[in-house]
Amino acid sequence: EAGVAQSPRYKIIEKRQSVAFWCNPISGHATLYWYQQILGQGPKLLIQFQNNGVVDDSQLPKDRFSAERLKGVDSTLKIQPAKLEDSAVYLCASSLGPGVSGNTIYFGEGSWLTVV
Amino acid sequence: AQSVTQLGSHVSVSEGALVLLRCNYSSSVPPYLFWYVQYPNQGLQLLLKYTTGATLVKGINGFEAEFKKSETSFHLTKPSAHMSDAAEYFCAVNLNSGYALNFGKGTSLLVTP
Repeated sequence: EAGVAQSPRYKIIEKRQSVAFWCNPISGHATLYWYQQILGQGPKLLIQFQNNGVVDDSQLPKDRFSAERLKGVDSTLKIQPAKLEDSAVYLCASSLGPGVSGNTIYFGEGSWLTVV
Repeated sequence: AQSVTQLGSHVSVSEGALVLLRCNYSSSVPPYLFWYVQYPNQGLQLLLKYTTGATLVKGINGFEAEFKKSETSFHLTKPSAHMSDAAEYFCAVNLNSGYALNFGKGTSLLVTP
């Protein structure tokens, strides 16, 4: 079974530039998550989708971050304009769905962003 | 909101020694608890999880954890450490009703020969 795919793996941009990350979840997984992991910290949830609807985006900095999952499968996370403090690993994850209690969340390998 | 606290950002053990990584949770509802491992430059991999039922949970690679409600703890153990166990370990609890996870800050495990 193919895992969660993310691209690009690595990106270096200057502050105030924009960047976009793409994620393809495991086939059949209705729920998709984007997490931000700053060096030395645990992952922090940015946004959670159920199919193409947003379940939780309470921790998403909406002035600069946006995410979409138009057809309920792939998702894109965009940062515009980037700040130095956005340097982090952006992890995409997926699971069957909230209806399955305690369901396992599977993570991709992450997209590493460095803002200079 | 549900949260976890991992005690000790770095733990060092000798190869063959007991591994004990500590996690305490705070939750207003019965928690679902998880341990994930992260190897360098990789994503997170599930080690084990507790949802309901048996409080002693066995996971992959010889790890296990025990849910203790009275102590609000979910500590991770392994009887004998291997060099390959060196990694970052994260405890997590369900964050919201949609079952997203709230992670602790992580514990870096170092295994010495």
